Amino acid sequence: DIQMTQSPSSLSASVGDRVTITCQASQDISNCLNWYQQKPGKAPKLLIYDASNLETGVPSRFSGSGSGTDFTFTISSLQPEDTATYYCQQYDDLPPLTFGGGTKVEI
Amino acid sequence: EVQLVESGGGLVQPGGSLRLSCAASGFTFSGYWMNWVRQAPGKGLEWVASINEDGNEKYYVDSVKGRFTISTDNAKDSLSLQMNSLRVEDTAVYYCARGSPSSDINCYFNYWGQGTLVTVSS
Repeated sequence: DIQMTQSPSSLSASVGDRVTITCQASQDISNCLNWYQQKPGKAPKLLIYDASNLETGVPSRFSGSGSGTDFTFTISSLQPEDTATYYCQQYDDLPPLTFGGGTKVEI
Repeated sequence: EVQLVESGGGLVQPGGSLRLSCAASGFTFSGYWMNWVRQAPGKGLEWVASINEDGNEKYYVDSVKGRFTISTDNAKDSLSLQMNSLRVEDTAVYYCARGSPSSDINCYFNYWGQGTLVTVSS
């Protein structure tokens, strides 16, 4: 099974800061990677699919990049409503579909 | 508007059974992969099971194989998860999630229900 390693596990930043989260796959997954946002007590929400494509309706301050084994998720200017936990998820080798361990972002 | 509404969660003893349901609306149910994803208290997300449009492809995470069964009722636009031989480590919020169109591989989860809590405890 492919393992997804996210870092950091948590971070604290100020409003307006640029925030970067990384996700590393245990083997080449091409661009088969998605990013989700989960706010406390809520279901996850798909933000980025196929490593770099913004889901409809998602603000443009969110972006994703990478291919192969190394991926990056960026919030260009952190907003108060971005407080959440963010997860990467691979789909190159399925089953299983696997998630990273999550990154908790606090203001 | 796409809606997914789970039901059936609750408290069950180890070794017991529970059946979760997910009522779907707002889209052509039979045209998509459907999935169950769970989240143990304070933990991350874990994919549990997926099923394609006609039910001839079903996939499970290793830890539930032989104990859980995913199924759909396309006439009722409903997804189910039959959970048998439940273990304490199955305790989690279980989410119903819509996947990719059935013509594609099952890539992502772009609509989620609100989740239903399953607690396995004596």
